[in-house]
Amino acid sequence: GAGVSQTPSNKVTEKGKYVELRCDPISGHTALYWYRQSLGQGPEFLIYFQGTGAADDSGLPNDRFFAVRPEGSVSTLKIQRTERGDSAVYLCASSETGGRAKNIQYFGAGTRLSVL
Amino acid sequence: DAKTTQPPSMDCAEGRAANLPCNHSTISGNEYVYWYRQIHSQGPQYIIHGLKNNETNEMASLIITEDRKSSTLILPHATLRDTAVYYCIVRDYGQNFVFGPGTRLSVLP
Repeated sequence: GAGVSQTPSNKVTEKGKYVELRCDPISGHTALYWYRQSLGQGPEFLIYFQGTGAADDSGLPNDRFFAVRPEGSVSTLKIQRTERGDSAVYLCASSETGGRAKNIQYFGAGTRLSVL
Repeated sequence: DAKTTQPPSMDCAEGRAANLPCNHSTISGNEYVYWYRQIHSQGPQYIIHGLKNNETNEMASLIITEDRKSSTLILPHATLRDTAVYYCIVRDYGQNFVFGPGTRLSVLP
């Protein structure tokens, strides 16, 4: 079946611009996660949705970052006033349920964001 | 911070077993051990997980010590396509995955 899909695969923008990154989770998965990965580092947690609501947004670095999941499926990560330090690969993952010890997260290929 | 420590890199000859160690000396009773890997330019891929008992699936085996303070991921016959960064993660109910820098495994021809 289809896996987690992220679009675009690459995004180049200028400092100060607004960007949106999209994630289509595996059908039926109620939990959705966003991570950010800098070069040479492991993924860093940003936010976790259970259904439509953000169950944990403790990883968002500041108020320029925001994410939504209005219908409990597709999610959009929004970054305002982008800075060069926002350049990274943004990864999305989904799982059947959230918050349970055994849940397995399935990742998309990521969106590589470059802020010039 | 990640609750695990792994060697930064390892080499393995093609066709041989790759044994990737992970230390998690502060693991609590309810925390599972998960292994993921990340091949260049792809998202992390789930490999295996376990709590106390050793586990095996089509990809790998997971050996957890009796005191649960360390574990080893075993790829029984490594191929060139197993070259990747391997992440060991411990996680309890309600916690998020915390990835460390992982182990960069290079499978050599």
